[in-house]
Amino acid sequence: EAQVTQNPRYLITVTGKKLTVTCSQNMNHEYMSWYRQDPGLGLRQIYYSMNVEVTDKGDVPEGYKVSRKEKRNFPLILESPSPNQTSLYFCASSTTGIESYEQYFGPGTRLTVT
Amino acid sequence: AQSVAQPEDQVNVAEGNPLTVKCTYSVSGNPYLFWYVQYPNRGLQFLLKYITGDNLVKGSYGFEAEFNKSQTSFHLKKPSALVSDSALYFCAVRAYQAGTALIFGKGTTLSVSS
Repeated sequence: EAQVTQNPRYLITVTGKKLTVTCSQNMNHEYMSWYRQDPGLGLRQIYYSMNVEVTDKGDVPEGYKVSRKEKRNFPLILESPSPNQTSLYFCASSTTGIESYEQYFGPGTRLTVT
Repeated sequence: AQSVAQPEDQVNVAEGNPLTVKCTYSVSGNPYLFWYVQYPNRGLQFLLKYITGDNLVKGSYGFEAEFNKSQTSFHLKKPSALVSDSALYFCAVRAYQAGTALIFGKGTTLSVSS
């Protein structure tokens, strides 16, 4: 089954404690992206990757890091989480072909930073 | 700059009635337009897209959307609403020249009453 998986689904942590949210896709997609969803703000892009070792900032990259060492994986790293990073996070992937721009989303990771 | 507006935070309709969820966009060049749906505690699911061609696009679950270039709109429609259509709907746009990043609207909550 084609899917994007994220782990963990729920995470409660404390300010300053480094954490990683994993994302993996099994569709051989070149493009992967991280979004955060906040009430009244919709989805905002954090980082994206056009392919292995190619990453770039989205609209709200501050406080986040990513890496793309393998095509299927795109982890999101919070080196020193703060309460304003409490949010619902989604990973997404897609091809980069001109006829296929719909993105496939993971189930989400609800992060609470206290 | 690219942007998407969903002017209604919430749309309420009775089951069996037609529904419309509005979306307008601003983008340089030709737009690629998408609708996604999010059910509670789930990730986003792709509904339909407009890339080129016929202005009326049909998608999943009986939804359709009409692209109107002169009004820069891409409203989501369904002839007869179901209670199970109640969810959060997002419109998104991508400009061909801007890579594969999607810009999302803030979302519209659709509530269908029985």
